[in-house]
Amino acid sequence: DTAVSQTPKYLVTQMGNDKSIKCEQNLGHDTMYWYKQDSKKFLKIMFSYNNKELIINETVPNRFSPKSPDKAHLNLHINSLELGDSAVYFCASSQDFRSYNEQFFGPGTRLTVL
Amino acid sequence: AQKITQTQPGMFVQEKEAVTLDCTYDTSDPSYGLFWYKQPSSGEMIFLIYQGSYDQQNATEGRYSLNFQKARKSANLVISASQLGDSAMYFCAMTAGGGGSNYKLTFGKGTLLTVNP
Repeated sequence: DTAVSQTPKYLVTQMGNDKSIKCEQNLGHDTMYWYKQDSKKFLKIMFSYNNKELIINETVPNRFSPKSPDKAHLNLHINSLELGDSAVYFCASSQDFRSYNEQFFGPGTRLTVL
Repeated sequence: AQKITQTQPGMFVQEKEAVTLDCTYDTSDPSYGLFWYKQPSSGEMIFLIYQGSYDQQNATEGRYSLNFQKARKSANLVISASQLGDSAMYFCAMTAGGGGSNYKLTFGKGTLLTVNP
């Protein structure tokens, strides 16, 4: 059973389009995250949610809107895609917010904006 | 704010030898957690090992051990008996503090390890 799953795995789209990435975890975790990995492999937090509540929005443009319909899901919607949005997006989850809890990562979604 | 520094963009090691990947961190919070993740060429992020700031002993997980030197703010990963499958990007990361600060991992830039046969 996949612990953290993301769909789609690959996403190729034109500039200006709107797209969504879905994330689900079946670990019963309270906290979920979105990270962006750029072309130089640098990973940076975008959003954190705890029990469906937004906790961190790390200076992400308004074009990015996360939505957590329940504790097990955290989706990412991106409006008006730009070339600079091309990256790998990772969803992750942890048991809760305490610092000693490892984060389990999904397989990533490679977004290419043409 | 937390910061992780990995100064080795790339490392090479012979199969069956040990290798140390360097990581230094910076935080003013007394409570923090340090993590190492492995990212093979297939792209997934694999958790390797965790060290808490109040842990008295260095963490170990199989062939992985974390050389935690609190005064120097370093958390180096030691891989013993390297295998070809260890070739990957390795990331050091941390969480720190209370409240909102804990709700994220801050990553270093990574070290690309290549194991030679």
